[in-house]
Amino acid sequence: GAVVSQHPSWVICKSGTSVKIECRSLDFQATTMFWYRQFPKQSLMLMATSNEGSKATYEQGVEKDKFLINHASLTLSTLTVTSAHPEDSSFYICSATGLAGPSYEQYFGPGTRLTVT
Amino acid sequence: AQRVTQPEKLLSVFKGAPVELKCNYSYSGSPELFWYVQYSRQRLQLLLRHISRESIKGFTADLNKGETSFHLKKPFAQEEDSAMYYCALSRYGSGNTGKLIFGQGTTLQVKP
Repeated sequence: GAVVSQHPSWVICKSGTSVKIECRSLDFQATTMFWYRQFPKQSLMLMATSNEGSKATYEQGVEKDKFLINHASLTLSTLTVTSAHPEDSSFYICSATGLAGPSYEQYFGPGTRLTVT
Repeated sequence: AQRVTQPEKLLSVFKGAPVELKCNYSYSGSPELFWYVQYSRQRLQLLLRHISRESIKGFTADLNKGETSFHLKKPFAQEEDSAMYYCALSRYGSGNTGKLIFGQGTTLQVKP
């Protein structure tokens, strides 16, 4: 089946620094990738939709200057958390949908645990 | 407004008992409904979608437009069914952006 990877799986950074998280579709071309945030024991909250070659569409309340998303190729999207603060600590999950499999089925990455100290 | 509601945070049953995980939605258009499952320490994965009308791992779900519900059912729970279950909604058909709206999730605990 379609596989989505994320790197790193976990990261610890100091307050004020920036962190980049990669999301890759390993065996299919992802026309659209989604970025979610999940707080402990809570649901997934969609942050943004990323289409290859165009600007990401952010959900209401998500700061686009803080969470920079780049979808430069059909297999890679990146999320950069800029000037991270402790309240940005969370589990970040990406998903991808594309040309493989049933249309619009989303394939999820394993997630990245971000801890800001 | 588009919303998915899973009223139970935790559902605990004994092995062999029937299971019903509730999901209600509000959506003005034509929805596509999904159930996703997340086993311990694993990624989220699709369990089933309403348009497929199939049974996966013994689970079924029927879309009831009158009651705006998409409850997940299994007649006999197994211990390996213990996981977090999420109901999700997307727009159906043309104009589908693929965006998913998730419910809060229900933890299913199947006791031996």
